[in-house]
Amino acid sequence: GAVVSQHPSWVICKSGTSVKIECRSLDFQATTMFWYRQFPKQSLMLMATSNEGSKATYEQGVEKDKFLINHASLTLSTLTVTSAHPEDSSFYICSARVPAPSDTQYFGPGTRLTVL
Amino acid sequence: AQSVSQHNHHVILSEAASLELGCNYSYGGTVNLFWYVQYPGQHLQLLLKYFSGDPLVKGIKGFEAEFIKSKFSFNLRKPSVQWSDTAEYFCAVSGFGNEKLTFGTGTRLTIIP
Repeated sequence: GAVVSQHPSWVICKSGTSVKIECRSLDFQATTMFWYRQFPKQSLMLMATSNEGSKATYEQGVEKDKFLINHASLTLSTLTVTSAHPEDSSFYICSARVPAPSDTQYFGPGTRLTVL
Repeated sequence: AQSVSQHNHHVILSEAASLELGCNYSYGGTVNLFWYVQYPGQHLQLLLKYFSGDPLVKGIKGFEAEFIKSKFSFNLRKPSVQWSDTAEYFCAVSGFGNEKLTFGTGTRLTIIP
C-alpha cells in the first residue's frame, strides 16, 4: 500500500515553455501532498504544501507564480513550471501524506526536468 | 526552525561490517523522526520512523534506529551490511502536529563486496 506515482518521469523542454507534472496517490486518499526539489547530490528542499480544495502554501523563496500547484482531488496534485528556464532544471519529487495514525509521507519516483 | 544534521557525507564499508549513520536534529518541541533510503535510480522509501514509545525502533531490511532525546539524536544502525544496502540515506524530522518534513543532507553509503 501507500504507492505514489509521478508523470512524466522525465521531460525536456525549451526555455520559455510550461511543463506540468502530475502526482497521484494510487491506493489511498491524500488531503495533503508536498512538492520537493532535489539538486544533484543534495537533499530534498520543500517547495510547497498542497492541500486538496485550497491554495498551496509555498516555502520562503519559492515563486508561487512560477510554480503553480493545483490539488484538484484527493488523489491528484499537479505542479506546473511556467516559463521554464535552464535554472529550473532539476529533479522534482512529490509526496503524499497518509493521515493519522500513520502520519507518514510516501514519495513518488520523481520527475527529471531539463530545460534547454 | 527545525534542522537536521547528518555528519557522515560518504561512508564506505565492506560487506558484513556494522553500520551506524549519525543524525542530529534541532527542534524545540516533540518530534517525529524518520529514516528514508534512496537506492540508485529509485524513489525514496521509508526505512523506519519514531513517534513515541520505545526509543529503539526496528525497520525494514534489518535496520534499526535509536532515539536519544538528551542528545537530540536518531542514529541508524545495521549489524551486518550487504552490497544491496548501497544507497543514499536521509534522516528527516517533523514537529509533532506539523506535517512538514525537514531533511538532512543525506549520507551516501557504498558497500564493497
